[in-house]
Amino acid sequence: DTGVSQDPRHKITKRGQNVTFRCDPISEHNRLYWYRQTLGQGPEFLTYFQNEAQLEKSRLLSDRFSAERPKGSFSTLEIQRTEQGDSAMYLCASSLQAGVSSGANVLTFGAGSRLTVL
Amino acid sequence: SQQGEEDPQALSIQEGENATMNCSYKTSINNLQWYRQNSGRGLVHLILIRSNEREKHSGRLRVTLDTSKKSSSLLITASRAADTASYFCATMGDFGNEKLTFGTGTRLTIIP
Repeated sequence: DTGVSQDPRHKITKRGQNVTFRCDPISEHNRLYWYRQTLGQGPEFLTYFQNEAQLEKSRLLSDRFSAERPKGSFSTLEIQRTEQGDSAMYLCASSLQAGVSSGANVLTFGAGSRLTVL
Repeated sequence: SQQGEEDPQALSIQEGENATMNCSYKTSINNLQWYRQNSGRGLVHLILIRSNEREKHSGRLRVTLDTSKKSSSLLITASRAADTASYFCATMGDFGNEKLTFGTGTRLTIIP
């Protein structure tokens, strides 16, 4: 297993276009997270899944953002009608969550997908 | 939104010196984690401390946690040039609130 993979690594698009990012987590991990990070800031939580169920979505996330994890494996994050403010690094992470308590849930991050909206 | 703040925002020290970074958070937690991020790259997990622990060590890293003050510190001893990176604390809540919420980060520069 090569860790968490994200594709594409870089995406430049014009305002108003739709973009989609893909994340392939570590195969045995049941949880998958999406974060957004802008320059000089910490990662900001967007959403997370346990298997195929989306457990939480940030209130900061507009309706233009949608994430799926259809078979509980890879995930996609789509941004519709992109705006310049969407320019950021989009980070995916996965973890193995055993049992019903949060325990020691350590995230493994991918290298990120950098989005530039012109 | 971000859970906490880190102090200082930036730190420059000579190679071989110790580096201390502090993190404050706002709500109750199950555990607190520290991550490192090299420029333009993904984050790498360093160490986790549970809410019922006060101190933890891993190699050259020492983490403390004071839940009464809602604060944590990360000490890196005998710093190396390769330690140059941004360091983030992140908190995880209890069952039902298990997303990891990151702080604003400390940019550490080790001067050779």
